Amino acid sequence: DGGITQSPKYLFRKEGQNVTLSCEQNLNHDAMYWYRQDPGQGLRLIYYSQIVNDFQKGDIAEGYSVSREKKESFPLTVTSAQKNPTAFYLCASRTGRLNTEAFFGQGTRLTVV
Amino acid sequence: DAKTTQPTSMDCAEGRAANLPCNHSTISGNEYVYWYRQIHSQGPQYIIHGLKNNETNEMASLIITEDRKSSTLILPHATLRDTAVYYCIVRDYGGATNKLIFGTGTLLAVQP
Repeated sequence: DGGITQSPKYLFRKEGQNVTLSCEQNLNHDAMYWYRQDPGQGLRLIYYSQIVNDFQKGDIAEGYSVSREKKESFPLTVTSAQKNPTAFYLCASRTGRLNTEAFFGQGTRLTVV
Repeated sequence: DAKTTQPTSMDCAEGRAANLPCNHSTISGNEYVYWYRQIHSQGPQYIIHGLKNNETNEMASLIITEDRKSSTLILPHATLRDTAVYYCIVRDYGGATNKLIFGTGTLLAVQP
């Protein structure tokens, strides 16, 4: 079955360590997105990519980095520069066509202690 | 960026219709209105989208006003499993990008 997979579901890290969150899709989608969600709040856009080897900053990119070396994969690195990394992270993908919906993964809950 | 405004929360009795409003007064002519919902600690799920005509699918109906400045998502017979946060978003075409900008959504609580 086609879909978008995030792993792991729960992740714990010590403060000051970089950590990479995985996002893989087999839907042949061009565009991929990373969002952050804090308790009781909506989704905030971190980074997005419309095509392989290209990505743009979203609204809260500071302290994060991404790569898009393959169409299927869009990993997110939470660096030590991110001041409040503990959050729920969501990855999404969609085709590049205008009138299409986005598909979301089930999220990764990152806890930094 | 086209923005949306939704009530923070709403209640609905089980079996009744749930009507969730959304204001998007700055929507431009080619922008679509999308609705998603998020059940606690899961990824958002697509529900429906539309441009100017009313739309219906197996999950819900979408009513868009003639001036397109607001819309209403209708769940015809709400069940307890419909309790979730519902997001209304407008496709953002700023800078020829495909950003998807989410607001804070409406928490729909379906009561037994």
